[in-house]
Amino acid sequence: AQSVTQPDIHITVSEGASLELRCNYSYGATPYLFWYVQSPGQGLQLLLKYFSGDTLVQGIKGFEAEFKRSQSSFNLRKPSVHWSDAAEYFCAVGGSGGGADGLTFGKGTHLIIQP
Amino acid sequence: DVKVTQSSRYLVKRTGEKVFLECVQDMDHENMFWYRQDPGLGLRLIYFSYDVKMKEKGDIPEGYSVSREKKERFSLILESASTNQTSMYLCASSSARWGGAYEQYFGPGTRLTVT
Repeated sequence: AQSVTQPDIHITVSEGASLELRCNYSYGATPYLFWYVQSPGQGLQLLLKYFSGDTLVQGIKGFEAEFKRSQSSFNLRKPSVHWSDAAEYFCAVGGSGGGADGLTFGKGTHLIIQP
Repeated sequence: DVKVTQSSRYLVKRTGEKVFLECVQDMDHENMFWYRQDPGLGLRLIYFSYDVKMKEKGDIPEGYSVSREKKERFSLILESASTNQTSMYLCASSSARWGGAYEQYFGPGTRLTVT
């Protein structure tokens, strides 16, 4: 069965500092990987996705993520965070079921931005 | 832009009531999903549908049912609401494409409180 682990429940970062959110997945074949962001009281917004090809993927809002098959990881990064980046971040993995089956989500990382 | 709408942002129901949560998407997506989100547990898949009148159980279907009579609409039904069904409910949709799990687009969520 597929699974996703986000080891950090909370992360606090100063505004302007760099950010890395960790994600480890378990999946038997080539995974399809996603990062979503959820602002308070809102639904989830897709930040970026990895299906194949270049292992470094660029997303919206200045985020990027790197797929490392050897480490089963898909960490999210941003070089300089803004106060508006404070939110809940979810990593998710999907399979090759043609998109008809649901994604498996991690439990989320709550990002706090210090002024 | 894909738009997924949910009938209510906030809902308060009494124990034992029958509850309907409605979700509508406007992008002609084949796949639709219902998740519930609880603090510390992330998102968990309740049911999904890959076609009209088709449904599949997710990870936590107990106490829920679904209906998909039209392609754009996917309803979640709580036959007899209980307090442990107090949660945030998120609807999502995705396109059916060859070869993999494509990104899901989420609605804003319905926060259901059962008293």
